[in-house]
Amino acid sequence: EAGVAQSPRYKIIEKRQSVAFWCNPISGHATLYWYQQILGQGPKLLIQFQNNGVVDDSQLPKDRFSAERLKGVDSTLKIQPAKLEDSAVYLCASSLGLAGGPRTTDTQYFGPGTRLTVL
Amino acid sequence: AQTVTQSQPEMSVQEAETVTLSCTYDTSESNYYLFWYKQPPSRQMILVIRQEAYKQQNATENRFSVNFQKAAKSFSLKISDSQLGDTAMYFCAFMKDRSYNTDKLIFGTGTRLQVFP
Repeated sequence: EAGVAQSPRYKIIEKRQSVAFWCNPISGHATLYWYQQILGQGPKLLIQFQNNGVVDDSQLPKDRFSAERLKGVDSTLKIQPAKLEDSAVYLCASSLGLAGGPRTTDTQYFGPGTRLTVL
Repeated sequence: AQTVTQSQPEMSVQEAETVTLSCTYDTSESNYYLFWYKQPPSRQMILVIRQEAYKQQNATENRFSVNFQKAAKSFSLKISDSQLGDTAMYFCAFMKDRSYNTDKLIFGTGTRLQVFP
C-alpha cells in the first residue's frame, strides 16, 4: 500500500515570495491533516479536512496561509507572502476518517514532509 | 488547553538494553488518547503505540510498552532490547475524544534517542 506522498521535499525561497506544497493521501482516507514542525518543536496542526470540508483550521494563520482539498483527495497548502518564521517542515497526514463516535479514533499516517527555508 | 511535556531532550542506550522515555500532560478531560510516535532521521513519523485513557491496562506492542498513570498524568514509553533501528526522535502526543469533533494531535517537543552498539 502506497503511503502519504508529498512534494516537493525541499524548497528554498526569499521572504515575501509565495510557495505551495502538495499532498496525496493514502487511497481511501477521508481525513487529511497539515502540520507545521518548527525545528526543535513537535508538529502543530494547521488544518484538518474531512473529505473536502474543513474540520479544524483554528491554528492556521489565515492572513498568509491557505489550503484546499478539491474533490476530497489531494490537497495543497499555500503560503503568500512567506515570512522568515515560516521556515519549518510541513507534514501531511491522513487517516481513514471512520465515522465512529466517542471512544473511537483512527491512526494518522504521515508523509515524509516538505522542508521549507525562507531567506 | 492541553499541553504535553517531554523533559528529556536526549537519551542514549546501549543495544539490547532497556530505556524509558518520560512524558507528562495536562488536561481536564476524562476521555482522551495518548500516543508515542517515532520520527527517524528520514522524517517520516510512525505510530509506535497508543493508549486509550478509559482503559486501565497498559498498552504493549512487541518490545514497546507504556506505563500510563492517569491520576499523575504520566505516560512513559519503555523500549526493551533496544536495537540500532530504534534511533530516532520520539514524540509523545495527546488527542481529545472524538466527541469534540477533532482529531488534532498535540505533540510534545520530543526526545532524541540514540542507540549505541
